[in-house]
Amino acid sequence: QSALTQPASVSGSPGQSITISCTATSSDVGSFDLVSWYQQHPGKAPKLIIYEVTKRPSGLSNRFSGSKSGNTASLTISGLQAEDEADYFCCSYAGTNTWVFGGGTKLTVL
Amino acid sequence: EVQLVQSGAEVKKPGESLKISCKTSGYSFSNYWIAWVRQTPGKGLEWMAMIYPGDSDTRYSPSFQGQVSISADRSLSAAYLQWGSLKASDTAIYYCARRGSSSFSFDPWGQGTLVTVSS
Repeated sequence: QSALTQPASVSGSPGQSITISCTATSSDVGSFDLVSWYQQHPGKAPKLIIYEVTKRPSGLSNRFSGSKSGNTASLTISGLQAEDEADYFCCSYAGTNTWVFGGGTKLTVL
Repeated sequence: EVQLVQSGAEVKKPGESLKISCKTSGYSFSNYWIAWVRQTPGKGLEWMAMIYPGDSDTRYSPSFQGQVSISADRSLSAAYLQWGSLKASDTAIYYCARRGSSSFSFDPWGQGTLVTVSS
């Protein structure tokens, strides 16, 4: 059982905004300030899109943003596009050089 | 450009051994942790273990401690994941990924290695 809980699926129409939540169910993730998010298209490797809760890698679209409130981190995708349809995983540092992933959320663009 | 290129798909029988590789280029291999992550349809992504090639320091998830071992060869800029005795439940895609030097995230990732264990 993952220490990070995500909804199994979310959906939205092109142009809309969606938010994917990631809730820590264990104190193993500490202050939950070291959350990262990954996008994975079918048959492809995961790709880093958000790190340390709110930071975007260089060159990544600003349509992707991250936030945190208490023990829930969130990924928001604004101006939804067809190519955003993918699986999204959150991940948190769990101390002593170990990490934990969420179960993943399938985003469908209607 | 930083690249992680993994070895090809494997089909093995239960009880067999296996070692898969992750060959890196474009950066100083010794100075970055390399992680291994398992992906199965039922359990999503699971962080397995990590190695620091500079001194071969390793960390294992309790779920995988004793089930796999990881290593690195600085002369080849390559990291390895190996099993001594495979089980059907080891069937999965395995990814390697580089941890950022001062960050707690993984970027980039290798393309993945599909391991199928079946009698």
